[in-house]
Amino acid sequence: GAGVSQSPSNKVTEKGKDVELRCDPISGHTALYWYRQSLGQGLEFLIYFQGNSAPDKSGLPSDRFSAERTGGSVSTLTIQRTQQEDSAVYLCASSSGPNAFFGQGTRLTVV
Amino acid sequence: GESVGLHLPTLSVQEGDNSIINCAYSNSASDYFIWYKQESGKGPQFIIDIRSNMDKRQGQRVTVLLNKTVKHLSLQIAATQPGDSAVYFCAENGGDYKLSFGAGTTVTVRA
Repeated sequence: GAGVSQSPSNKVTEKGKDVELRCDPISGHTALYWYRQSLGQGLEFLIYFQGNSAPDKSGLPSDRFSAERTGGSVSTLTIQRTQQEDSAVYLCASSSGPNAFFGQGTRLTVV
Repeated sequence: GESVGLHLPTLSVQEGDNSIINCAYSNSASDYFIWYKQESGKGPQFIIDIRSNMDKRQGQRVTVLLNKTVKHLSLQIAATQPGDSAVYFCAENGGDYKLSFGAGTTVTVRA
């Protein structure tokens, strides 16, 4: 595709439910990032995939958060038992070098 | 831990004037720096980058300056336009391709 695609663009979920957020990176990009952005805040690193290497999960805030990247392409970020503090915009980015290209994000609201 | 940060959270500038956005970084091993622009409801977009072996790089209406001695990065926007209103983030790459972002500076252009 022309850019990084994320779905859904908006998600409202009830506290305690699980959610899955999807990221389709730019074709051929070996690296994929997930970031979280709370309202009016900067970008909080969550997880980083690079090729076939073990992902860098150092930014995941709790064991309720997990992410997979299948076939070196599409990635899914899963949040289990969502809490209100999980409400934020979740941004995905991909790269083939030191720069990263971002998707539009998924706005998650936990009610 | 080491981090990238911005000096000022907001900047108000008169249309037509020049804007200067500042960023301090602390990771002396960082070898690549990027400025991103994020408009409301969108993901961050690449503006300009600079490698650590340079101290200045110019783009269209934008200039990035890097002072490694004091670990300072700045973005200059010439003849600021209403479309420049956004949040600007600096990011650093410490060589492992994991980008670290600052909190962001909100730029508001006054007509």
